Amino acid sequence: GNSVTQMEGPVTLSEEAFLTINCTYTATGYPSLFWYVQYPGEGLQLLLKATKADDKGSNKGFEATYRKETTSFHLEKGSVQVSDSAVYFCALPGGSNYKLTFGKGTLLTVNP
Amino acid sequence: EPEVTQTPSHQVTQMGQEVILRCVPISNHLYFYWYRQILGQKVEFLVSFYNNEISEKSEIFDDQFSVERPDGSNFTLKIRSTKLEDSAMYFCASSQQGGTNEKLFFGSGTQLSVL
Repeated sequence: GNSVTQMEGPVTLSEEAFLTINCTYTATGYPSLFWYVQYPGEGLQLLLKATKADDKGSNKGFEATYRKETTSFHLEKGSVQVSDSAVYFCALPGGSNYKLTFGKGTLLTVNP
Repeated sequence: EPEVTQTPSHQVTQMGQEVILRCVPISNHLYFYWYRQILGQKVEFLVSFYNNEISEKSEIFDDQFSVERPDGSNFTLKIRSTKLEDSAMYFCASSQQGGTNEKLFFGSGTQLSVL
């Protein structure tokens, strides 16, 4: 079935640093790809998605490009803020109509 | 933005006891889900629910697990006889439509500890 592997954390950065969190996938066909984020004390929420190859999803300064050649969907942000401290999850459909398959999550801490 | 609400935020129970985890999905959503995350592992799909029946379940969701929508607002996950390995964060989610392109709205989770 479909699976995703994302960069192990934790990741600690200073404010305004560049962020990359790697995500690679294995899938049948070309499914949509997602990044979810979980801020402290809150539920997971959709950060961005891309529905086909070469699409770029973007939101809140974060971007991720669906690259079928490298089966990757890396999350990037040019200048992180303290408020970006959260756990980030890469996800894709789990091979059926209803389930998503998630990675382990990457904890990002941004220090002032 | 509307929220999915889960209660309790933490639940401690003894092995073999029954637990019920509660969720209030977003009011106009029709599809409901439970996921869980064991510490250090991936977030795993447990079950999806639509039109008062299970639409899909994973191999984790065995006879010890059940879900119910007892009224128009609550969506519950019951574990009949808890095991140590059931200790995890349990997330409820809902969506307006089914299908994996739909945005899921998650609750903040219930941390279940089985002693």
